[in-house]
Amino acid sequence: EVQLVQSGAEVKKPGESLKISCKGSGYRFSSHWIGWVRQVPGKGLEWMGNIYPGDSDTRYSPSFQGQVTISADKSISTAYLQWSSLKASDSAMYYCARLGRDAYNDPVGLDDWGQGTQVTVSP
Amino acid sequence: DIQMTQSPSSLSASVGDRVTFTCRASQGISNYLAWFQQKPGQVPKLLIYATSTLQSGVPSRFSGSGSGTDFTLTISSLQPEDVATYYCQKYDSAPHTFGPGTKVDIK
Repeated sequence: EVQLVQSGAEVKKPGESLKISCKGSGYRFSSHWIGWVRQVPGKGLEWMGNIYPGDSDTRYSPSFQGQVTISADKSISTAYLQWSSLKASDSAMYYCARLGRDAYNDPVGLDDWGQGTQVTVSP
Repeated sequence: DIQMTQSPSSLSASVGDRVTFTCRASQGISNYLAWFQQKPGQVPKLLIYATSTLQSGVPSRFSGSGSGTDFTLTISSLQPEDVATYYCQKYDSAPHTFGPGTKVDIK
């Protein structure tokens, strides 16, 4: 069974740094893109970027480029999302999700999701 | 970058109604278009991928169609458990933009 388990909720102050994690199991972690998705309370889903753990190829949404860093350690099947200096506007739920593939190796979209990590940034 | 829009932003329908909503891309995209369902307080769930392929375990009352810039999600007979927000997402080339969502509730 594919599972993505995210790190726990965080409460931080503006200007602090943060790194949250997403650990995959039940599949070959290095062979599937992992995406990160933001959801501000009461708002929609925003694609932030994704990473291919096999070679750490990373793509960012223009909205998040330079604001966050996505990384992965394939040796421990874990992807990360980090901030160097948090802002109050970073308060949101963050999801990681796997870009699955079908029997023909075609991508099927984000087929398995982590449970989400709530990040609260407040003075 | 390609922008995704959805219409309507919300709708209210009766149990048993056929419901259709639309996702539009600002430029033509491949068939790598997915639909997600997010119920209140829950993690998004993949319903349909590659425009029209039903994800395993998803009820057959859900269907998808479309091509180019215009895509639709149809619920053939709306059920109370379908109350949710539905998002489309392109996932061919980055950025894998989501649409803003359509919120569905029961009249």
